Amino acid sequence: EAAVTQSPRNKVAVTGGKVTLSCNQTNNHNNMYWYRQDTGHGLRLIHYSYGAGSTEKGDIPDGYKASRPSQENFSLILELATPSQTSVYFCASGDQGHFSNERLFFGHGTKLSVL
Amino acid sequence: GQQVQQSPASLVLQEGENAELQCNFSTSLNSMQWFYQRPGGSLVSLFYNPSGTKHSGRLTSTTVIKERRSSLHISSSQTTDSGTYLCALEQDSGYNKLTFGKGTVLLVSP
Repeated sequence: EAAVTQSPRNKVAVTGGKVTLSCNQTNNHNNMYWYRQDTGHGLRLIHYSYGAGSTEKGDIPDGYKASRPSQENFSLILELATPSQTSVYFCASGDQGHFSNERLFFGHGTKLSVL
Repeated sequence: GQQVQQSPASLVLQEGENAELQCNFSTSLNSMQWFYQRPGGSLVSLFYNPSGTKHSGRLTSTTVIKERRSSLHISSSQTTDSGTYLCALEQDSGYNKLTFGKGTVLLVSP
C-alpha cells in the first residue's frame, strides 16, 4: 500500500508568519500534489510536481510556494500566512508516469490554523 | 459552473439499508475516481473507474460516459460506512488534473 506521510499533523501559526508543510512518500511516484479542503469547496489543487526539481501551479496557487527537492519530498510553503489559509491540507502522490489515468494516494492531512 | 456535482449532499441510513450516491459532470471525461474519507481523516481510493461497472465487496461503481454520470452503490450499509464519499473527475484534456466534487456525507445509524 502506498505510504504518504505529512508533517506536522496540526499547526497553529500567526498572521504574517512563515509556515512549511512537509510531505514524504516512499512509493517512488513521480507525481505529487498539494490540495486544501474547505467546507463548501471540496478539495482544490494548489501546486503539483512531475518529479524532483519541478513545481507547477494548480488551481489556487496564490499565496503558496512549493518545493520538490527530491523524488520523496514535496513541501508547501506559506511565506506570509493569512487567516484565509486556515484549512486542512492534503498531500498526495500519483502512480502514473504520464499523469493520465492516474490513481492518487493521500496523506492523513495537516490541519493549519492561522490566527 | 461547477464541473462535478455530487448528490445527495448528505444521507442518513439505518444499518442494513442500501445507498446510491451520484456524481454528475459537465465536461468530457478521461477517468473517474471515488474516494472515502473518514471524519477528520485521509482519503482512501475506492474505485478508479473510467467507464463501466466495477465491484468491490459491498460497493459497486458504475460510470456512464455518454450520460456524464458516475454512481456509487453501497449495499447492506454498516455503521463503519459512515463518512464522506468524494468523486473526482480527470478531464479529457491531455494531462491529469483531478477536479473533486464536494462530497456526500453518509451517516449510518445502528
